[in-house]
Amino acid sequence: GAGVSQSPSNKVTEKGKDVELRCDPISGHTALYWYRQRLGQGLEFLIYFQGNSAPDKSGLPSDRFSAERTGESVSTLTIQRTQQEDSAVYLCASSSPAVFSGELFFGEGSRLTVL
Amino acid sequence: QKEVEQNSGPLSVPEGAIASLNCTYSDRGSQSFFWYRQYSGKSPELIMSIYSNGDKEDGRFTAQLNKASQYVSLLIRDSQPSDSATYLCAVKTTVIFGPGTSLSVIP
Repeated sequence: GAGVSQSPSNKVTEKGKDVELRCDPISGHTALYWYRQRLGQGLEFLIYFQGNSAPDKSGLPSDRFSAERTGESVSTLTIQRTQQEDSAVYLCASSSPAVFSGELFFGEGSRLTVL
Repeated sequence: QKEVEQNSGPLSVPEGAIASLNCTYSDRGSQSFFWYRQYSGKSPELIMSIYSNGDKEDGRFTAQLNKASQYVSLLIRDSQPSDSATYLCAVKTTVIFGPGTSLSVIP
């Protein structure tokens, strides 16, 4: 597809379960970002991948959160032992390797509800 | 001090007026600045980018950058009800977003 694709669009899970969220960036985009947006709040940076460089994990809120990316393709965000405060929309974005690569293209997000 | 700050609003302006949105940032080495618009329930979309001091105009939108004072602003001329959204200021390097300013344009 032409845009950033995220799945699932909605996920309802029970507290304590693990969840995986997937992001398929725009083809050719070397940078990939994950953000969390709680209801009525701003975007909280989680993790950043740039090509084959080591990811910037500085935004991950706890060791229950992890993310992987294979090369310059799909990324998976994993949340282990989910808690109710993990309920949020998880947004993935990608950007091109062009000089001004802060121009992000967002997916539609994965809405996570932890019961 | 937070890295990127904005007035959370809500900011209400009458239709046809100028809406002025402000953003300050803490990293003096930042080089790239962006304004995103986010409609309720939707993902953010880029509306303006600015890299040099001064003004940059695109249609009804004007971005202003002052690196010495570490602020970026967005002016929306002839505001329309369709401009009602949350406006997010973003600063490179790992693209940190401000909390957003909610704008409501009253017909």
